[in-house]
Amino acid sequence: GIQVEQSPPDLILQEGANSTLRCNFSDSVNNLQWFHQNPWGQLINLFYIPSGTKQNGRLSATTVATERYSLLYISSSQTTDSGVYFCAVLPGANSKLTFGKGITLSVRP
Amino acid sequence: DTEVTQTPKHLVMGMTNKKSLKCEQHMGHRAMYWYKQKAKKPPELMFVYSYEKLSINESVPSRFSPECPNSSLLNLHLHALQPEDSALYLCASSRGFNQPQHFGDGTRLSIL
Repeated sequence: GIQVEQSPPDLILQEGANSTLRCNFSDSVNNLQWFHQNPWGQLINLFYIPSGTKQNGRLSATTVATERYSLLYISSSQTTDSGVYFCAVLPGANSKLTFGKGITLSVRP
Repeated sequence: DTEVTQTPKHLVMGMTNKKSLKCEQHMGHRAMYWYKQKAKKPPELMFVYSYEKLSINESVPSRFSPECPNSSLLNLHLHALQPEDSALYLCASSRGFNQPQHFGDGTRLSIL
């Protein structure tokens, strides 16, 4: 099956810093989503981005489908950005959303 | 606020109990999903319903029994669970299989 690798596994930032989270995938995909899971367990949709670039406030994402990677940019980080960021992909062959292992982000005041 | 509503938020049950988890969405989505998530792990798919029919069962033990009474509602019936079944259970929905999935807040289940 498809492999999804996220890096780095852990990230510690000072409030106000910028960061880039990476997701590599091993095959072509029909769907790619970025999620933020907060400390209470809520899994929040950030982006649906099978290709191209999108922006939403301080967050933006870029997926280069031909090179099989996606990047999530967080600017001016806040303590509320802390949590786990998951990249999940939907391969073309079936309908099972495959998650990476996640990136744990801690933003310190 | 999430558009997928899960109840209850927390559930503690004994190994001999029978309980149900409920998931509801009113976005007109035709695909609904159950996931199980253990601590520090990504969600794992359990079941997929499409147009109220079970289309994927990821070899889940029979002590978990899903049900989709209508297009807005998804239940997960629990019976004779084991302590290792303690986890966060997440429901999701999407317009169709290739469309983005929207998750509920989850039910945190503890088996005594």
